[in-house]
Amino acid sequence: EDQVTQSPEALRLQEGESSSLNCSYTVSGLRGLFWYRQDPGKGPEFLFTLYSAGEEKEKERLKATLTKKESFLHITAPKPEDSATYLCAGHQGGKLIFGQGTELSVKP
Amino acid sequence: DAGVIQSPRHEVTEMGQEVTLRCKPISGHNSLFWYRQTMMRGLELLIYFNNNVPIDDSGMPEDRFSAKMPNASFSTLKIQPSEPRDSAVYFCASLSGGSYNEQFFGPGTRLTVL
Repeated sequence: EDQVTQSPEALRLQEGESSSLNCSYTVSGLRGLFWYRQDPGKGPEFLFTLYSAGEEKEKERLKATLTKKESFLHITAPKPEDSATYLCAGHQGGKLIFGQGTELSVKP
Repeated sequence: DAGVIQSPRHEVTEMGQEVTLRCKPISGHNSLFWYRQTMMRGLELLIYFNNNVPIDDSGMPEDRFSAKMPNASFSTLKIQPSEPRDSAVYFCASLSGGSYNEQFFGPGTRLTVL
């Protein structure tokens, strides 16, 4: 069965405390691994797409990496405004299969 | 650009009533997706359209759900009759045909069925 699993479900960090979010996937015919950010009461907002193992992409304090089985979202020196739910999704045949998300809370 | 527009933003109805959710995709985007988000099941794809044609409706839970896209600028998701277990946030997203990348999501419709 095609699925995407994220861990941890929730993560609490102090401002400046770096960490990583994990996304494990088993998606046949994967055509890309996507990361989205979702703020409360809003729709998901696109962050990155990764297409091949070894690929890395960065945006401000976020860096996404990809292996053949999982992806990591590294957060360096996070700030309170980075607090959100982070979703990863596997692209298969024109559609996205989403994980359950990691709810990140960054305290000042 | 106004982004993806959904209406209503909130809907409260009673079991058995018909519910219609509406979506206006970003102009020029030729793919449209309907998702449902709940705490238990996360974000699930219900159906998607390419050039107004339904491509994959395997995520539609049952015959009570139907979706249409009569033109490139409008889509509806209808639930008839509604049930309490349909309570969720329903998102619409659109995608430019030239990219597999960004699906732009709307703000969602929070549906509560009493």
